[in-house]
Amino acid sequence: EAGVTQFPSHSVIEKGQTVTLRCDPISGHDNLYWYRRVMGKEIKFLLHFVKESKQDESGMPNNRFLAERTGGTYSTLKVQPAELEDSGVYFCASSQVQPGFGGELFFGEGSRLTVL
Amino acid sequence: AQTVTQSQPEMSVQEAETVTLSCTYDTSESDYYLFWYKQPPSRQMILVIRQEAYKQQNATENRFSVNFQKAAKSFSLKISDSQLGDAAMYFCASSPEGAQKLVFGQGTRLTINP
Repeated sequence: EAGVTQFPSHSVIEKGQTVTLRCDPISGHDNLYWYRRVMGKEIKFLLHFVKESKQDESGMPNNRFLAERTGGTYSTLKVQPAELEDSGVYFCASSQVQPGFGGELFFGEGSRLTVL
Repeated sequence: AQTVTQSQPEMSVQEAETVTLSCTYDTSESDYYLFWYKQPPSRQMILVIRQEAYKQQNATENRFSVNFQKAAKSFSLKISDSQLGDAAMYFCASSPEGAQKLVFGQGTRLTINP
């Protein structure tokens, strides 16, 4: 069974440009999450989808970030326009059961974003 | 809001020895779940062990076990008979019962010395 895949693995862009990160969850996982780790700090929650619906986007930093999950399958996270503080590693995860019910999250390897 | 603190940015241990990684958390919830995840270099983060707060018995998974002290809000991870493959970043995380998200600590980088 394929795991969670993320693309690209690393992206280097100039401030003001746009970047789109993609996540393909494990097939059959209704729950999809985006997290971000900035400069060696803690991993922070960005948002959570159940199928195609956003359930919680309380962690999204601002309106420069837009996440979608087309047809409840893959998800994209767009940053437009990118700022220096957006640099970090963006993790996608999927699960059958939410962590508040003891569910295990399955993570991708992350997409490292560097904004110059 | 829940917070999770890992006070050890880095730890090292000799192969075959035992090491304990510390984690404390703060919550006003009466029930919650606690997790340890590991991320090996250039690999995906995976679940190591999980604990339900209402269960007093400490969780164990082979060489990995936890010391869960609910009153002290402490959730340390013990790795016995450390192996080279245990080298990774270890993240402690919590989630209130019914919550949709994990709250992570800052991580501890574990090095295994041969």
